[in-house]
Amino acid sequence: SQTIHQWPATLVQPVGSPLSLECTVEGTSNPNLYWYRQAAGRGLQLLFYSIGIDQISSEVPQNLSASRPQDRQFILSSKKLLLSDSGFYLCAWSVGPRGNTIYFGEGSWLTVV
Amino acid sequence: GQQLNQSPQSMFIQEGEDVSMNCTSSSIFNTWLWYKQDPGEGPVLLIALYKAGELTSNGRLTAQFGITRKDSFLNISASIPSDVGIYFCAGAQDYKLSFGAGTTVTVRA
Repeated sequence: SQTIHQWPATLVQPVGSPLSLECTVEGTSNPNLYWYRQAAGRGLQLLFYSIGIDQISSEVPQNLSASRPQDRQFILSSKKLLLSDSGFYLCAWSVGPRGNTIYFGEGSWLTVV
Repeated sequence: GQQLNQSPQSMFIQEGEDVSMNCTSSSIFNTWLWYKQDPGEGPVLLIALYKAGELTSNGRLTAQFGITRKDSFLNISASIPSDVGIYFCAGAQDYKLSFGAGTTVTVRA
């Protein structure tokens, strides 16, 4: 069965410092991969999605970037964090004919101080 | 993605009661999904709907994909304390999801 892991689970970073959140999916190949952010309170905002290596689309202009160095690995980065980057970041995946069915990881809490 | 209109925003229910929430959109979706999120965790998929008019159950949960493809509802029957949490609807199109703002369910013992 497929599993998704993301880390670190919790991160406290000073303003201006870099960020790297990592996500890997096991048990499948060529998944669609996603990064979402959830601000305190609720809604999920799509940040990036990737349908293959070197195919990454950005949904919202911002201080973040994403990379997919391997088929099942997705990385969210920033060179210089802003206070407004604080939030709950979720990696997700989908695959196959039911590519619209998206499964989420455990999430990473980022607090920028 | 666009925001879906999910209602109610919150509800307090008595244990054993049935719960109903729904989502509407101005756009058509190919897939409707319902998730539950507990504090500090990622959303967990409850039910996925792939066809207009489809009615699907998962234990005490039942969800329907509206015939217009612009709406969906979720019912929880005979609620129990572990049903507390935030429920999100999501419409999927071209491998991307648009989310509702969530319905917070609190169960009174």
